[in-house]
Amino acid sequence: QKEVEQNSGPLSVPEGAIASLNCTYSDRGSQSFFWYRQYSGKSPELIMFIYSNGDKEDGRFTAQLNKASQYVSLLIRDSQPSDSATYLCAVSPQGNEKLTFGTGTRLTIIP
Amino acid sequence: AAGVIQSPRHLIKEKRETATLKCYPIPRHDTVYWYQQGPGQDPQFLISFYEKMQSDKGSIPDRFSAQQFSDYHSELNMSSLELGDSALYFCPSSFYSNEQFFGPGTRLTVL
Repeated sequence: QKEVEQNSGPLSVPEGAIASLNCTYSDRGSQSFFWYRQYSGKSPELIMFIYSNGDKEDGRFTAQLNKASQYVSLLIRDSQPSDSATYLCAVSPQGNEKLTFGTGTRLTIIP
Repeated sequence: AAGVIQSPRHLIKEKRETATLKCYPIPRHDTVYWYQQGPGQDPQFLISFYEKMQSDKGSIPDRFSAQQFSDYHSELNMSSLELGDSALYFCPSSFYSNEQFFGPGTRLTVL
């Protein structure tokens, strides 16, 4: 079992709808949680990070963390075709430490 | 804003050759990480440096070595290259947190 699990998709969402991406992790000591967006052949781009239980909103993106359930999610509101990419969930024990990535969810926004 | 710089962007080598990848972190960032991302895979942590000292080690083969220099740039040295070393290599940097910012990466192809 991988330490960080994601549904590989592909996940298809109509333009303008909400895309919901999910991630579970196995290490209860994890403290830092990140969502990266990666376009094909490009580098991962940090779009959200969350350290505390609850929701964190930034523009069209909302990250949700539930440490008791070892679950982190990313909601993308008003999905745009440019949101089509692979979304990587990453987890770290604490600051300045390595990231463990999930295999990523491929998201396709349908115009 | 300044970003991570990696060179070369593309590198083609033959089996059993050596390669050196260079990484220049974002100014004032004190931690550099190296990740390897094979085709269709998630990034795998290789090694990290904090203030020029090795801080963590992951699944880095013995054929690889790395260091961070006094100007904070880092180099990944790879010897006896194998076909399986063909991948994207990233070296994100961070400062006092775990928010790692990725550069464009180096695409290594081993023939």
